[in-house]
Amino acid sequence: GESVGLHLPTLSVQEGDNSIINCAYSNSASDYFIWYKQESGKGPQFIIDIRSNMDKRQGQRVTVLLNKTVKHLSLQIAATQPGDSAVYFCAENMGGGADGLTFGKGTHLIIQP
Amino acid sequence: NAGVTQTPKFQVLKTGQSMTLQCAQDMNHNSMYWYRQDPGMGLRLIYYSASEGTTDKGEVPNGYNVSRLNKREFSLRLESAAPSQTSVYFCASIAPGQGYYFGQGTRLTVV
Repeated sequence: GESVGLHLPTLSVQEGDNSIINCAYSNSASDYFIWYKQESGKGPQFIIDIRSNMDKRQGQRVTVLLNKTVKHLSLQIAATQPGDSAVYFCAENMGGGADGLTFGKGTHLIIQP
Repeated sequence: NAGVTQTPKFQVLKTGQSMTLQCAQDMNHNSMYWYRQDPGMGLRLIYYSASEGTTDKGEVPNGYNVSRLNKREFSLRLESAAPSQTSVYFCASIAPGQGYYFGQGTRLTVV
């Protein structure tokens, strides 16, 4: 079946560098995407979202890029900090929102001092 | 995660026992969800309630039942717990266009 997935299970970056976390999705009907951050022992925390009518959306230190042609989603984190260490999940939803999200398996971002 | 409260935070059950996980949100959201999270996997949807009085199955509903008691509360029940139900359970609610809010999770171990 169609699913959302991530390319790398673990990503290690130097503190201060930019991080790019990738996500591939295969459901062409999905029109809403969210990135979540999950710290150990906590619930997923909303970071940023994007709708399918957009290619890029920026937040504070984060940017989400959506390439519908190749069904690819990425999360860019600028000037990564120790507090950015967490597991990052992408999730997709097919319109309406009420029927829930489909999550990828997650990427563990490790910040090296 | 302010707004979505889950109880209990931890629970150990013996195989065959039953229990109910409680979830409440104070954001007046219509839609609520129960997910489970297993090691190496993303969150998987168990059941959801699009509005008060309605419930629907998600990806992995077997072994679970739910009740949307009112707009605030959405409970998840395990009638006869099995070791395969050892997991971390998350409740969430949604405000359309405003994102999904998750609770802190319930860590359940079935022995």
